[in-house]
Amino acid sequence: DGGITQSPKYLFRKEGQNVTLSCEQNLNHDAMYWYRQDPGQGLRLIYYSQIVNDFQKGDIAEGYSVSREKKESFPLTVTSAQKNPTAFYLCASSTDRGALRELFFGEGSRLTVL
Amino acid sequence: RKEVEQDPGPFNVPEGATVAFNCTYSNSASQSFFWYRQDCRKEPKLLMSVYSSGNEDGRFTAQLNRASQYISLLIRDSKLSDSATYLCVVNMYGAGNNRKLIWGLGTSLAVNP
Repeated sequence: DGGITQSPKYLFRKEGQNVTLSCEQNLNHDAMYWYRQDPGQGLRLIYYSQIVNDFQKGDIAEGYSVSREKKESFPLTVTSAQKNPTAFYLCASSTDRGALRELFFGEGSRLTVL
Repeated sequence: RKEVEQDPGPFNVPEGATVAFNCTYSNSASQSFFWYRQDCRKEPKLLMSVYSSGNEDGRFTAQLNRASQYISLLIRDSKLSDSATYLCVVNMYGAGNNRKLIWGLGTSLAVNP
């Protein structure tokens, strides 16, 4: 079955530690996205990539880093510089690089920093 | 003014009721419009795209009004399983002339037996 797989689903970390969230898709989509969702807030774009070996900052990129070395993979690192890392992180992909078509989401990764 | 605005609700309706949500957007150049459904603590899933002529999928009808810059979602014969948050999503031009999706905060629906 085609889809997007995020791991881990739940993650607990101590303050000051970097964390990497995995996102893999087998949909052959060019565009991939990372969003963050906090209670009472809409989805906020962290980073996106329209093609392999290229990525762009979204609205809240500070304290995060990504890579796109393979078409199917778009890992997100939450660094110690991110001041409020506890959140629900969602990875998505799309056939369209211009955000004109629907996004397909993974099940999300819930990060709690203690 | 927010780029995409929705009434957060909650909308509490009995089973079988008809309920409608509106969503307003600020950028008249927006090109794509979507309704997503998000269950509690789950990922958003596409409910339907919204086309200029309006479109229907079973009990769900979506409309676009470009002149007034809003989209709507009508749910007929509500089921318990329709209880969720409904997210309005609009495609707009962002920094560097790149298109991006703007997400509303969502409208919460609770369908009661």
